[in-house]
Amino acid sequence: NAGVTQTPKFQVLKTGQSMTLQCAQDMNHEYMSWYRQDPGMGLRLIHYSVGAGITDQGEVPNGYNVSRSTTEDFPLRLLSAAPSQTSVYFCASSYWRGNTGELFFGEGSRLTVL
Amino acid sequence: AQTVTQSQPEMSVQEAETVTLSCTYDTSESDYYLFWYKQPPSRQMILVIRQEAYKQQNATENRFSVNFQKAAKSFSLKISDSQLGDAAMYFCAYRTFQGAQKLVFGQGTRLTINP
Repeated sequence: NAGVTQTPKFQVLKTGQSMTLQCAQDMNHEYMSWYRQDPGMGLRLIHYSVGAGITDQGEVPNGYNVSRSTTEDFPLRLLSAAPSQTSVYFCASSYWRGNTGELFFGEGSRLTVL
Repeated sequence: AQTVTQSQPEMSVQEAETVTLSCTYDTSESDYYLFWYKQPPSRQMILVIRQEAYKQQNATENRFSVNFQKAAKSFSLKISDSQLGDAAMYFCAYRTFQGAQKLVFGQGTRLTINP
């Protein structure tokens, strides 16, 4: 029972490097999202998607790109990493309509940008 | 835009006692979900309890219960018979029924259980 799988769990980058955080879910959820968690600020929404080919910005989208080519996968790309992007990142998914509202989370990815 | 506020950054309680975590939210909608998520040191986000706004009855899950006051826009979590395993960060969250159904989180409350 995989649920939501995120990789990698830990990553260290240098300023200016690029990387992709991978997220996959096996629950056939339409809704997928990326959050970042910073101390004292809770979890803030970066980007979200309500289906393949449909993405939109959340609260803190700058510096991040997403795409959704399949129902299962929702990668998050950092094109030019900055120290301000040091954070813990969570991918989460759910059914979109007629559901219990619960989001299912991955285990998180800790990213450090030097 | 909806906002969620947790005014207690940290709380502590003696093992076996009861503790209440506070949460308030701001919305103009009538239908929505409210959640409490637990985040232990493992970092995993675990759903503790869920409340649908159209339900007047307060949700309960074993030792966890909520006090949902819709008019006051308040959603507190009560943990009875606190156990060492309850030590974690607790997040209150709001999810609209409308549009993209984004989930909005509060800042979190760190709960310590004293043996």
